[in-house]
Amino acid sequence: NAGVTQTPKFRVLKTGQSMTLLCAQDMNHEYMYWYRQDPGMGLRLIHYSVGEGTTAKGEVPDGYNVSRLKKQNFLLGLESAAPSQTSVYFCASSGQRQGTYGYTFGSGTRLTVV
Amino acid sequence: GDSVTQMEGPVTLSEEAFLTINCTYTATGYPSLFWYVQYPGEGLQLLLKATKADDKGSNKGFEATYRKETTSFHLEKGSVQVSDSAVYFCALSGSGGSNYKLTFGKGTLLTVNP
Repeated sequence: NAGVTQTPKFRVLKTGQSMTLLCAQDMNHEYMYWYRQDPGMGLRLIHYSVGEGTTAKGEVPDGYNVSRLKKQNFLLGLESAAPSQTSVYFCASSGQRQGTYGYTFGSGTRLTVV
Repeated sequence: GDSVTQMEGPVTLSEEAFLTINCTYTATGYPSLFWYVQYPGEGLQLLLKATKADDKGSNKGFEATYRKETTSFHLEKGSVQVSDSAVYFCALSGSGGSNYKLTFGKGTLLTVNP
């Protein structure tokens, strides 16, 4: 099925470990986003990309890095995980007319840092 | 900057009750407005949208009308079902150069009891 695929779906990390979350979309969308969702906080934008090879900081970028080497993939990296990064992470993508059609979301990655 | 304010939950209703979830926004220009729904354990799905003033978005029995004079986009449903239990997010996309970014409210948890 067309859409946004996130891997892994669940992960437990120890403090200080690193990991990469992968997001892949097959809709040829220009824009891709990483959000984190925490109780009572809604969704907060971490980083986003407006096209292949570009990235930009969102609302809460500290402690994360991203890369968009291919148009269909958007990677989120945690270099040294901290308990404060325990969250559910969502990737989303949108086309040129996202103002009309909105975003397509992945199903999320639940990350626990112990 | 742009912002979205939703009524705080949780909201608990009996099946067949009337639902209203309030949403107001602050934005410059003419944003597009969205309601997203998140079922337990899943990502967000677009529920409905409106792209200009006085537009009414509708889907699955839900409706919302874009009211520019009151900067509101309240979600309504005449008769809720148990299957409507989910978290609902109001969102807007700004006009002009930042129209690819969505700003979300904090979400409202709806529980419908049989």
